Amino acid sequence: SHELTQPSSVSVSPGQTATITCSGDVLGKKSVRWFQQKPGQAPVLVIYRDTERPSGIPERFSGSNSGTTVTLTISGAQVEDEADYYCYSATDNNRVFGGGTKLTVL
Amino acid sequence: EVQLVESGGGLVKPGGSVRLSCAASGFTFNSYGMNWVRQAPGRGLEWVSSLSSGDVYIHYADSVKGRFAISRDSAKNSLHLQMNSLRTEDTAVYYCARGGYGDPEDFWGQGTLVTVSS
Repeated sequence: SHELTQPSSVSVSPGQTATITCSGDVLGKKSVRWFQQKPGQAPVLVIYRDTERPSGIPERFSGSNSGTTVTLTISGAQVEDEADYYCYSATDNNRVFGGGTKLTVL
Repeated sequence: EVQLVESGGGLVKPGGSVRLSCAASGFTFNSYGMNWVRQAPGRGLEWVSSLSSGDVYIHYADSVKGRFAISRDSAKNSLHLQMNSLRTEDTAVYYCARGGYGDPEDFWGQGTLVTVSS
């Protein structure tokens, strides 16, 4: 099995840039999705294939990949971006989520 | 409009069984992979099982392999998860999600809670 490691928490002030990392050996070979989850709600896809943004997701959300570490960047974070964020990757026989990062925008 | 609606959750005793369903609408159901993902209370997301389009491939997390079975009823546009030999650690909200096998998991249901307790 493979593992994805995320920081447990990130905190920024409104308008600042938030960066959330996800690291794992498999990331050099497989792409990553990022999901946002607010309390009591289902996850929402915000980035797929490392850098692609689904329709309806604000442009301030972006993704990048530098080998075994991928990064979710929220440029000019808003209060409504406060949520848990999870990276997710699939290998041929396994799928795994990172442990999640709680983003505080305060 | 794509919609996924889970049902079938509830309270079940350890060692018992439950069958979850996910009613899909708004897309060609058999053309997409489907997934079950769970979240224990206060914990992170955990992948459970995936089924490819056309039911060609099926995958399970090690934690549920041999106890859970994913299936699709294309005539009724429904995804199922048969859960047997349940353990207290299976207590979680179970979500169905469209995608996987190369496609992003772009639509999710609101989840159904399974509580395993005596």
